[in-house]
Amino acid sequence: KAGVTQTPRYLIKTRGQQVTLSCSPISGHRSVSWYQQTPGQGLQFLFEYFSETQRNKGNFPGRFSGRQFSNSRSEMNVSTLELGDSALYLCASSPGLALSYNEQFFGPGTRLTVL
Amino acid sequence: SQQGEEDPQALSIQEGENATMNCSYKTSINNLQWYRQNSGRGLVHLILIRSNEREKHSGRLRVTLDTSKKSSSLLITASRAADTASYFCATMNNAGNMLTFGGGTRLMVKP
Repeated sequence: KAGVTQTPRYLIKTRGQQVTLSCSPISGHRSVSWYQQTPGQGLQFLFEYFSETQRNKGNFPGRFSGRQFSNSRSEMNVSTLELGDSALYLCASSPGLALSYNEQFFGPGTRLTVL
Repeated sequence: SQQGEEDPQALSIQEGENATMNCSYKTSINNLQWYRQNSGRGLVHLILIRSNEREKHSGRLRVTLDTSKKSSSLLITASRAADTASYFCATMNNAGNMLTFGGGTRLMVKP
């Protein structure tokens, strides 16, 4: 099976702009999670989607949003970018079956730089 | 905020030696997972240990879990230069919809 893919891999934006990142999970996986990784805060959970529904959300401002489509692909959007949003954004997929807490499979990440 | 703390933050050893990394966490968990990350790339899953398990092996990896102390350790035996990476522990909540990561241990294995 193909792994988790994320596009784009690198992105440069300026403050105030908005950005959309895309994630395609492993075929058959219905759960997609997003994480932000920065040198200062480490790996932080953003949100998790299962069957087009957000099941959980981390402690991030409302500028961070996401959605999942019927084919399980997911997008996350960051509006009004700030310098501190510069980070590696990682997407992970898992089968997501209830009571089946399997490992998550991570994509290569999108490195976002905000100037 | 991070659930776990990892110790040490950095570790440098010679090839062939064993490497031990420790992880502590705060709340109840369903399972604990260890991941590896090479130089700012995506994470690779190494091993998962469920809350009712105490020890698990996978190749050169050995993981222990002590839920009474809310701690876990990862042992890499007979290390290789290719093991150089950052290692993260992550705890899965009981709802199964969120992984919380520790700060990671940067391991350097010198040839």
